[in-house]
This record gives sequence, C-alpha cells and structure tokens, in this order.
Amino acid sequence: SQKIEQNSEALNIQEGKTATLTCNYTNYSPAYLQWYRQDPGRGPVFLLLIRENEKEKRKERLKVTFDTTLKQSLFHITASQPADSATYLCAPSDSASKIIFGSGTRLSIRP
Amino acid sequence: EAGVAQSPRYKIIEKRQSVAFWCNPISGHATLYWYQQILGQGPKLLIQFQNNGVVDDSQLPKDRFSAERLKGVDSTLKIQPAKLEDSAVYLCASSTRGGAANTGELFFGEGSRLTVL
Repeated sequence: SQKIEQNSEALNIQEGKTATLTCNYTNYSPAYLQWYRQDPGRGPVFLLLIRENEKEKRKERLKVTFDTTLKQSLFHITASQPADSATYLCAPSDSASKIIFGSGTRLSIRP
Repeated sequence: EAGVAQSPRYKIIEKRQSVAFWCNPISGHATLYWYQQILGQGPKLLIQFQNNGVVDDSQLPKDRFSAERLKGVDSTLKIQPAKLEDSAVYLCASSTRGGAANTGELFFGEGSRLTVL
C-alpha cells in the first residue's frame, strides 16, 4: 500500500540555521508533491508544489527538491526564524488527483 | 477573498450520539474535500467531491459516516452513531480544479474538533 514517511521526531534548530525536512514515499509514483505548514489549532496552509519533472523549486527562504529515483523530497528553510516553528506536512499526489498527507514533522526554531 | 468556513469549531458528544459538521468552500471552487486528523497524525482523506458528485470515498466508514454536497456548494459531514475513536479534527478543504488533472493547492478551513466521551 502507499506509504509516506516524514521525520517522526521533532526537529530542533538554532535560529539562523537551515532546517531540512525529509519526505519519503513507497509504492507510489506521484506526479507532483505539495508541502503545507500547520500551526496548532489551525488548518494546513499551502507552501509549495513541485512536479515530477522538476528537480528543485524555490520561494523566498524555502526550497524543495524532488528525487523520483530516491522517492524522496527534501524541504529546506534557510535563515530559520522562531516564527517558522510549526508542523510541516508533505502531500504527494498521483495523476488520479488524490492528495494524501504524511504524518508531518514538528519543527522548533530556538532563538 | 473569504476562506473556507467550517462550523461548529468544537463539539463534545457522548458515544452513540450523532453529530454534523458544515463546510462552505471558497466561492467558485469545484472540488471539496473532508479530511480527518487524529492528534499527532497527518490529515486522512475521507471523501472528495467534484461539484456535487463523489470522486473518492474509499476511506469513508460508510456504516456510520455520510457526506453530501448539495447544489455543488456547501457540504455536510455526519457521523451516526459516534465512537470513541472518532475523536479528531475534521478538516474541510477546497480547490479550484478537479479530476485527473488536478494539481490545485488545497485551501483548508480551521477545522471542527470533535470529542467523543
């Protein structure tokens, strides 16, 4: 069955450093992959989408890579700030339009 | 632009009781999703509508859960009878596109938190 794995443990990063979150998937060939941010008590908010034919996508301090050979996406936040503390969800999707979410990685940026 | 509206925000019921959640998507969004999010987990898709037709309800526990989207706009998710394991946040999301070519980002509401005692 389709499986999506994200870092199960919380990630603690010093302010100013680069945070790197991992999303691995198995039994799956997603046509594209989305990343969302979720704050406590709120709904997820869309951040970035990357397609299978794109190696890398950037938006301000965010960068996403997509390696279909490794079946992995990496999500980077450069110059991290305490306001970046949240749970980050990856959501690969196949051509059937079903969007499935990983369990999320909780990121904490300490001043 | 108004976002996705959901109500109620919180609901506490006894097991075996029934509950209904309402969602009003962003105007013009053809696709509507209901997700269940249990504490510490990612959102799990329950049902996906394209206009007022069901695209995917493979993970909806149909013996107790039902959902409808009348006139292709608002949607209601009902649970009857509720079980303890139904305690979760029920998230509604909408997007502009649908069908096999859907790559639209999802816009989520704030969710409805259900506690079953």
